[in-house]
Amino acid sequence: AQSVTQPDIHITVSEGASLELRCNYSYGATPYLFWYVQSPGQGLQLLLKYFSGDTLVQGIKGFEAEFKRSQSSFNLRKPSVHWSDAAEYFCAVGATNAGKSTFGDGTTLTVKP
Amino acid sequence: NAGVMQNPRHLVRRRGQEARLRCSPVKGHSHVYWYRQLPEEGLKFMVYLQKENIIDESGMPKERFSAEFPKEGPSILRIQQVVRGDSAAYFCASSVTENTEAFFGQGTRLTVV
Repeated sequence: AQSVTQPDIHITVSEGASLELRCNYSYGATPYLFWYVQSPGQGLQLLLKYFSGDTLVQGIKGFEAEFKRSQSSFNLRKPSVHWSDAAEYFCAVGATNAGKSTFGDGTTLTVKP
Repeated sequence: NAGVMQNPRHLVRRRGQEARLRCSPVKGHSHVYWYRQLPEEGLKFMVYLQKENIIDESGMPKERFSAEFPKEGPSILRIQQVVRGDSAAYFCASSVTENTEAFFGQGTRLTVV
């Protein structure tokens, strides 16, 4: 079975600074990979996904992520963080079914003014 | 286009009562997934359904929980004889096929008192 690790429970960055959220997964083949964002009391919004092809994927809100097979990682990046990016971020992995995913425990992002 | 619609958004039940959570998938989506999010945790897969069929219920508790996705109408997650530990946010997601990303609803927040 696949598993997902988000090593950072909480990250604080200053507005305008760059951001990288880490995600490592365990799965024997190339999985479906996702990053979601969740604001308090809200549902999950898909930021970006990787199914195959180019390992650098662009998402919404200026986010991007890079799939590195050798490191079993799918880290999320943004060059300049905005205060509205404060939220919880989840990395998810799907094996044979893109909708049936294993989620990490999430990383809470705080943005300092 | 309407996204995944879940209702109610908030549900309060006394211990021992039944909870019924409804999910209307995106129009044209025939694959539905239910997830549970306990406080301060990530999402955990519960069940995957297609119209009139349960495909994968490996994440469902063995007792008191059931799910259906009838030919007509929304998908229903039913929890009988609720206990305090059932208090959580329950999310529904839908997809066109099992190889396409799933879109999440806003969730139903169940509180058992």
